[in-house]
Amino acid sequence: KAGVTQTPRYLIKTRGQQVTLSCSPISGHRSVSWYQQTPGQGLQFLFEYFSETQRNKGNFPGRFSGRQFSNSRSEMNVSTLELGDSALYLCASSLAELAGVKQETQYFGPGTRLLVL
Amino acid sequence: AQKITQTQPGMFVQEKEAVTLDCTYDTSDPSYGLFWYKQPSSGEMIFLIYQGSYDQQNATEGRYSLNFQKARKSANLVISASQLGDSAMYFCAMRALNSGNTPLVFGKGTRLSVIA
Repeated sequence: KAGVTQTPRYLIKTRGQQVTLSCSPISGHRSVSWYQQTPGQGLQFLFEYFSETQRNKGNFPGRFSGRQFSNSRSEMNVSTLELGDSALYLCASSLAELAGVKQETQYFGPGTRLLVL
Repeated sequence: AQKITQTQPGMFVQEKEAVTLDCTYDTSDPSYGLFWYKQPSSGEMIFLIYQGSYDQQNATEGRYSLNFQKARKSANLVISASQLGDSAMYFCAMRALNSGNTPLVFGKGTRLSVIA
């Protein structure tokens, strides 16, 4: 079974531009979460999508947005890029059962390294 | 809210020896899961092992075992017979299990270097 894939792997943008990152989850996984990783702040949760709906959101400005499609693929968008948005953006997918106490292991993709100049 | 503390920024271990990476956590949720991930320089987070708060036995996965001490709120990762390929960043993470699909909360990580 193929793992989580993310495109592009590397991206260079300039301040003020916008960027769209894509994530394809493991087949059968319905939940997609996005994380930002920086040397200073570590790993921080951005948002989670399930069945095309945002189910959880981290503490990031409105410039960060996302969506999920009917095939569970997800995109995240960052508008008006700032230097501080330079980071590794990781996408993770999980089965996401609707009820019950279950182990919900999140499986991560290789990430997209974004550099904002 | 949950919090993960990894107090070892870096560790060195001789090849073929065992190493313990420390992780302590704080949460008010009665049911939670603890995870360890490995992140090589390539960037991908690789899932290693999971421990549920109500699991009676410590989790093991091949050379990885989790030393879970609930009363002390610690979930240390033990890697036996270290290999050069184990050199990477290791992250401890947790999430509540009864509060919907809550996100993972990560520690700052420990950089493990395996020396020949």
